[in-house]
Amino acid sequence: GENVEQHPSTLSVQEGDSAVIKCTYSDSASNYFPWYKQELGKGPQLIIDIRSNVGEKKDQRIAVTLNKTAKHFSLHITETQPEDSAVYFCAVNTGFQKLVFGTGTRLLVSP
Amino acid sequence: DTEVTQTPKHLVMGMTNKKSLKCEQHMGHRAMYWYKQKAKKPPELMFVYSYEKLSINESVPSRFSPECPNSSLLNLHLHALQPEDSALYLCASSPLTSVTYEQYFGPGTRLTVT
Repeated sequence: GENVEQHPSTLSVQEGDSAVIKCTYSDSASNYFPWYKQELGKGPQLIIDIRSNVGEKKDQRIAVTLNKTAKHFSLHITETQPEDSAVYFCAVNTGFQKLVFGTGTRLLVSP
Repeated sequence: DTEVTQTPKHLVMGMTNKKSLKCEQHMGHRAMYWYKQKAKKPPELMFVYSYEKLSINESVPSRFSPECPNSSLLNLHLHALQPEDSALYLCASSPLTSVTYEQYFGPGTRLTVT
């Protein structure tokens, strides 16, 4: 089955710095790559996604890049703010309705 | 509006109890999901309903019984659970089109089995 690795497991940055989280996957048939943000006590929130026919997608301070050849994709957060502190999960689709999640990255943004 | 609601927020039950978790969405999504999430772990898929029919069961023990009464509602019936079933149970929904895969999650029900 699909294997999704996510790094780093924890990431501490100062407010205003950039943060980058990377995921690798194994199934070359996967074509949908979402990122979720999960704050303490809440459900995962879809923050950005990318499909395999696109190399990069940006939404204000967040961006996702995809390298299908190398089977990895990354989340980039610029000008980080304390409210960006959360656990971030990448995911990859296996078939039409199934998502396999990465192991998560705990991001801490210090003021 | 991408809101999925879940009730209750918290649930404590004994191993001999029967309880149900409820999920609701009014986005017109035709796929609904149950996930289980243990502390510091990613969500794990349990069940998928497509057009109110069970389409995926990830080999979940029979003490968990899903039900989809209509396109907006999803229930998870719980019976004879074990302490290791304590977790955050998440519901999600998704439009069921050939080009759309997005899943939107609810806030979850925090379940404790004593």
